[in-house]
Amino acid sequence: AQTVTQSQPEMSVQEAETVTLSCTYDTSESDYYLFWYKQPPSRQMILVIRQEAYKQQNATENRFSVNFQKAAKSFSLKISDSQLGDAAMYFCAYRSGLNTDKLIFGTGTRLQVFP
Amino acid sequence: EAGVVQSPRYKIIEKKQPVAFWCNPISGHNTLYWYRQNLGQGPELLIRYENEEAVDDSQLPKDRFSAERLKGVDSTLKIQPAELGDSAVYLCASTRTGAGAFFGQGTRLTVV
Repeated sequence: AQTVTQSQPEMSVQEAETVTLSCTYDTSESDYYLFWYKQPPSRQMILVIRQEAYKQQNATENRFSVNFQKAAKSFSLKISDSQLGDAAMYFCAYRSGLNTDKLIFGTGTRLQVFP
Repeated sequence: EAGVVQSPRYKIIEKKQPVAFWCNPISGHNTLYWYRQNLGQGPELLIRYENEEAVDDSQLPKDRFSAERLKGVDSTLKIQPAELGDSAVYLCASTRTGAGAFFGQGTRLTVV
């Protein structure tokens, strides 16, 4: 069975600085997708960024980028120029390559942003 | 485009009472998921629908939980009877392509 591990329960960053959130996963599959979701206090899970395992190029979405190391089964999220609105729980998630299979989530990292 | 809509946002019930949650997915999304999120944890799948068909309900406690998705659009999740351990956030999500699921705001259930 696939598992997702987030070893940092809490992280903090100063506004305008850069922070990296860690995620590792375990799978025997070769075709899969990885995601980072943000969950603010409103509880809604918001998709931040996704990465297809077959792509070597790291995904980037504005201030958010990932460092995908397939051999190491590592998928970290880098947030550049942190903003107060980035404060939230961040969840790493894995999905099998089967088209609409379920997401498997890590336990989350709470990010605090200080002015 | 409207997002995934869930109701109610909050529900407090006494144990042994029934409760139901409703979800309306994004228009055109054939796949609908119900997840449960316990405090301090990531969401875990309860059931996944492809149109009207439940294709993965292996994690659904079928002795007390039931779900339906009539006509392949909106869905309800029911618990009867509720237990103290059912207190959690219940999240509904939908997708069309599988590229990434879109979530509703969830229902926070408190069983007292």
